[in-house]
Amino acid sequence: SAVISQKPSRDICQRGTSLTIQCQVDSQVTMMFWYRQQPGQSLTLIATANQGSEATYESGFVIDKFPISRPNLTFSTLTVSNMSPEDSSIYLCSVRQGGEQYFGPGTRLTVT
Amino acid sequence: KQEVTQIPAALSVPEGENLVLNCSFTDSAIYNLQWFRQDPGKGLTSLLLIQSSQREQTSGRLNASLDKSSGRSTLYIAASQPGDSATYLCAVRHYRDNYGQNFVFGPGTRLSVLP
Repeated sequence: SAVISQKPSRDICQRGTSLTIQCQVDSQVTMMFWYRQQPGQSLTLIATANQGSEATYESGFVIDKFPISRPNLTFSTLTVSNMSPEDSSIYLCSVRQGGEQYFGPGTRLTVT
Repeated sequence: KQEVTQIPAALSVPEGENLVLNCSFTDSAIYNLQWFRQDPGKGLTSLLLIQSSQREQTSGRLNASLDKSSGRSTLYIAASQPGDSATYLCAVRHYRDNYGQNFVFGPGTRLSVLP
């Protein structure tokens, strides 16, 4: 099974600033996925990050707001840019291995 | 478009009860189904993975069944404990490829087990 870590675990940020979330996996994976979970909601896929190419964003999410890096097969970052209170959510990194989906512990973001 | 629903939305039971959580999906052409547990403010822990060719999977006090033709899965928790209190999410993987958009979550069932 894949073990995923995320940094930071939580943060409180001011409106208009940006936060970069890091995701580290203990094994090499082809694709990494970024999800958002707004308060009281289920998970929504933001984008799929493939090493060496541009991330693929889902409807409603754009690269300018959520730039993603994927420099190697074990690491990815998601930046939440120009934050507003509506961005307050848990952001989760995920990978798929052996047909099973694994998730990181999440980053709890509060925007004031 | 695949849609996943879960019933009930919330459930409160006394300790020791056996309980069933339900998950339904609209498109039965799935690749697999996975049950997760999420503690408040935390990430997801994978509980059980059922391939489309399987009928059920068991892990400890948990048993998950899959009926593809009717678009349903159930998660059975035996002898519930206060530590089982969490939100339980089911997710359906629609295709074999690795693209993320084919992995669809239900809204979850919030379980409280009272001591």
